[in-house]
Amino acid sequence: NAGVMQNPRHLVRRRGQEARLRCSPMKGHSHVYWYRQLPEEGLKFMVYLQKENIIDESGMPKERFSAEFPKEGPSILRIQQVVRGDSAAYFCASSPGAGTGELFFGEGSRLTVL
Amino acid sequence: GQQLNQSPQSMFIQEGEDVSMNCTSSSIFNTWLWYKQDPGEGPVLLIALYKAGELTSNGRLTAQFGITRKDSFLNISASIPSDVGIYFCAGQPAGGTSYGKLTFGQGTILTVHP
Repeated sequence: NAGVMQNPRHLVRRRGQEARLRCSPMKGHSHVYWYRQLPEEGLKFMVYLQKENIIDESGMPKERFSAEFPKEGPSILRIQQVVRGDSAAYFCASSPGAGTGELFFGEGSRLTVL
Repeated sequence: GQQLNQSPQSMFIQEGEDVSMNCTSSSIFNTWLWYKQDPGEGPVLLIALYKAGELTSNGRLTAQFGITRKDSFLNISASIPSDVGIYFCAGQPAGGTSYGKLTFGQGTILTVHP
């Protein structure tokens, strides 16, 4: 299966710990997006990256959150000093080009903060 | 920011019935997309619409891009049990970005009784 791969699928952290979520885009896709979904809500855009570049991080909280998409390896969404409000499903999506809204989503990483 | 109002919030129907849901916005959109999300999974693209007035089908699914560019609807004909899930509308606002920074509706939860 050459779909978008995310890991871990489930992650439990205590308040103050760090969470690292990984995403490998579909083969041939160089555009990666991160979205957050709170319970019973739609998805909210967080950040758009291309290889080694953050293109748009307007949806990302200014503090504690960071994202990268290195030349080699998966994209990583990092949340430092997690709080209970960070509990959510985090979805990664990829696309083959920039000028499209047709995104291919991964199965998500569900973060629970105790 | 832009908001999409999706209705109904939930639907309970009998197998074989037709289903209709819609999405409206106070501002103009350049692209409308419909995604389906199964429990514990990521959204999967069903239909993408790019022109005002466009009517597109995908099997038993039909979606239209409203003439005013402020709304879209999705119809499912002859529903079957596997249609169960959450349906999301999403769009790229006019004057916004051309990449995959989508605004999502709140979702319509569909339950199909055999």
